[in-house]
Amino acid sequence: ETGVTQTPRHLVMGMTNKKSLKCEQHLGHNAMYWYKQSAKKPLELMFVYNFKEQTENNSVPSRFSPECPNSSHLFLHLHTLQPEDSALYLCASSQDGVGGAGELFFGEGSRLTVL
Amino acid sequence: GQNIDQPTEMTATEGAIVQINCTYQTSGFNGLFWYQQHAGEAPTFLSYNVLDGLEEKGRFSSFLSRSKGYSYLLLKELQMKDSASYLCAVLDSNYQLIWGAGTKLIIKP
Repeated sequence: ETGVTQTPRHLVMGMTNKKSLKCEQHLGHNAMYWYKQSAKKPLELMFVYNFKEQTENNSVPSRFSPECPNSSHLFLHLHTLQPEDSALYLCASSQDGVGGAGELFFGEGSRLTVL
Repeated sequence: GQNIDQPTEMTATEGAIVQINCTYQTSGFNGLFWYQQHAGEAPTFLSYNVLDGLEEKGRFSSFLSRSKGYSYLLLKELQMKDSASYLCAVLDSNYQLIWGAGTKLIIKP
């Protein structure tokens, strides 16, 4: 496999469920990101990990919990979500972390629907 | 506050030329990116401008004027596969990426 892979591609969950999104990058990059993409809105940066250390948390509600066990894997744990959390969740990686100007490589996203 | 403006939607004809504008007001500037995103797919990198002027890459060109806080993406010889959303993003003084909401480009035969 190459690039950035996200699973699942689609997820439907109730507000009381607990689920996780997974991201894996095969590019040897040092930084990984979670973004939220809602229709007709700018990408919202949620979390940044640089060399497995979380360097950014953009006031994201605690019902979203990231985990980065190594520089190739990133998880987003979800619990007690709200319907307004329905969106496309994009994972991305870059060679350099915060402070670098390198391009981002995105996965195809996980489409989340909260009922 | 920081702001990126780009048109919500544009329509163009196959074989024609289209220019997608992006204006920005940010805290500092460390470069501007354009990404392409086809429906249901990952955004992919198109271009990066940090100095004023035009950067050409095949059918796509990107222009930057830092004094005007303005960029455009120029697409020539449009093909149906160019139907996609085009995202403009600016790297601010803290190296944070500020994103526009994207421009949906519809190509008609």
